[in-house]
Amino acid sequence: EAQVTQNPRYLITVTGKKLTVTCSQNMNHEYMSWYRQDPGLGLRQIYYSMNVEVTDKGDVPEGYKVSRKEKRNFPLILESPSPNQTSLYFCASSLGWTGELFFGEGSRLTVL
Amino acid sequence: TQLLEQSPQFLSIQEGENLTVYCNSSSVFSSLQWYRQEPGEGPVLLVTVVTGGEVKKLKRLTFQFGDARKDSSLHITAAQTGDTGLYLCAGENAGGTSYGKLTFGQGTILTVHP
Repeated sequence: EAQVTQNPRYLITVTGKKLTVTCSQNMNHEYMSWYRQDPGLGLRQIYYSMNVEVTDKGDVPEGYKVSRKEKRNFPLILESPSPNQTSLYFCASSLGWTGELFFGEGSRLTVL
Repeated sequence: TQLLEQSPQFLSIQEGENLTVYCNSSSVFSSLQWYRQEPGEGPVLLVTVVTGGEVKKLKRLTFQFGDARKDSSLHITAAQTGDTGLYLCAGENAGGTSYGKLTFGQGTILTVHP
């Protein structure tokens, strides 16, 4: 089954404790992206990747890092999480730079 | 960054009623996508409209792209409880350094009561 898989789905952590949210897709998509979803703000792009070893900042990249060492994986790293990073995070992929986005089920992160 | 204003933000209606959700911008988009998101899941694409003035129908859902490709609407006829969810529009930037980038509206939370 074609899918985008994120882990963990739920996480409660404390300020400053590094964490990684993994994302994997099995559709051989070139383009992958991370979004955060907050009430009233819609989906805001954090980082995206056009292909392996090619990443770029989205609209709200501060406090986040990403890597794209393999085509299928695109982890999101919070080196020192802060409470304003409490949010619902979505990973998405698409075949190319444009077109339909396929989303994961989301990762709800709470930073205390 | 191009902005996409979506309205209304909340919509609560009875089963059988009709409704329209709007997405408006001062910018031109090369295409516009509509997604639906259910609780605990990621957004799923409903439709993409590409041509100015284009109308697409998906059963009881009618999507329209404005003639100038700056706005779009989603009309649901005879809403059902199964239509409940978050509806998101997303415009694909038409040019410049952000070509192809998707800009999302804030979303419309639709609740259809039995």
